[in-house]
Amino acid sequence: DIVMTQSPESLAVSLGERATINCKSSQSVLYSSNNRNYLAWYQQKPGQPPKLLIYWASTRESGVPDRFSGSGSGTDFTLTISSLQAEDVAVYYCHQYYMTSTFGQGTKVEIK
Amino acid sequence: EVQLLESGGDLIRPGGSLRLSCAGSGFTFSNFAMSWVRQAPGKGLEWVSAISATGDNTYYADSVRGRFTISRDNSKNTLYLQMNGLRADDTAVFYCAKVPLPGISNPRFDYWGQGALVTVSS
Repeated sequence: DIVMTQSPESLAVSLGERATINCKSSQSVLYSSNNRNYLAWYQQKPGQPPKLLIYWASTRESGVPDRFSGSGSGTDFTLTISSLQAEDVAVYYCHQYYMTSTFGQGTKVEIK
Repeated sequence: EVQLLESGGDLIRPGGSLRLSCAGSGFTFSNFAMSWVRQAPGKGLEWVSAISATGDNTYYADSVRGRFTISRDNSKNTLYLQMNGLRADDTAVFYCAKVPLPGISNPRFDYWGQGALVTVSS
């Protein structure tokens, strides 16, 4: 199985500041035949199911604010919230779908 | 509007069986693969199983293979998860999730239900 490791486990960011979450996979999730990274990001608020934010590592899901962006390739990926809002308090998960499906352990984002 | 509604969660004794259902609406259910993902209390997400749009292909996580069976009835727009030989470490909220493709080779999840709580305890 592909192991997904996120860092940090939690972070506290001031309103309006940038939040950066990292995700590393134990093997590449880049499919060479189509040059796509099989990596998604989800947001989960307390008491709610996860919500898809980003897929193909950098494609924003419809309706997701443009302050959320994804980057990276191969084994190293980043989710960036450019200007943290109060409603962004949540746990964020990376997810590889290159080989079946595995999730990172989650990163909790809070307001400083 | 896409909606997924799980049902069937319960308190069950170790070794027991339970069947979860997930009713889909707001989309053409038979065109999309579906999956189950679970979350133990206070823990992260664990993919459990997936089924192709036609039901011909299924995948399972090692932790449930041989104990759980995923199925679907496209005439009823419903996904199922039959769980046998339940253990305490199966205790979790089980989410059904829609895959934005008919196949399950590379499943990502674009819509999720609210979840059904399964508690395995004596």
